[in-house]
Amino acid sequence: GENVEQHPSTLSVQEGDSAVIKCTYSDSASNYFPWYKQELGKRPQLIIDIRSNVGEKKDQRIAVTLNKTAKHFSLHITETQPEDSAVYFCAATPPRRGFQKLVFGTGTRLLVSP
Amino acid sequence: DSGVTQTPKHLITATGQRVTLRCSPRSGDLSVYWYQQSLDQGLQFLIQYYNGEERAKGNILERFSAQQFPDLHSELNLSSLELGDSALYFCASSVGESPGNTIYFGEGSWLTVV
Repeated sequence: GENVEQHPSTLSVQEGDSAVIKCTYSDSASNYFPWYKQELGKRPQLIIDIRSNVGEKKDQRIAVTLNKTAKHFSLHITETQPEDSAVYFCAATPPRRGFQKLVFGTGTRLLVSP
Repeated sequence: DSGVTQTPKHLITATGQRVTLRCSPRSGDLSVYWYQQSLDQGLQFLIQYYNGEERAKGNILERFSAQQFPDLHSELNLSSLELGDSALYFCASSVGESPGNTIYFGEGSWLTVV
């Protein structure tokens, strides 16, 4: 089955810096890659997603890139702010008719210092 | 607020006991998912239902069972509880059942087994 690896496990940056989180997946057929942000004790919230027919997607300070050949995708956050501090999870899902089984990475704890 | 409602928010119970976690999906969503989040296992997919039908199973123990009712709410039953079952259990929902449908998470049910 699908396996997702995520790095780094922790990332500390100064406010205003950029942050990059990287994930690799094992199933070359996977075609949907969402990113979730989870604040302490809260629910995971979708912040951006990308489908396999697209190489890059941006939403204000957040961007995701996908390299299907290398089977990896990355989250880029520019001009980081203290409120970006949270745990970020990448996920992948193989194309299966009739069900969706998101496989999550192990998470990256991002700390943005003022 | 994602629109996914889970009860109870917190639950403390003893080993060997049985508990039921309840979930109401977002209005209009037909698919319900259950995920388990523990410190050492990350976010693990347990099971998915779509319009009352079981669609996919993940790493769900035989002691655990779930169902989705005609009104689309879902229940996760955990029995013969062990200390290791202590975790945050998330319910999530989406409109459709297939990959690419955005999955929205509820606030979770914190289960502590003592």
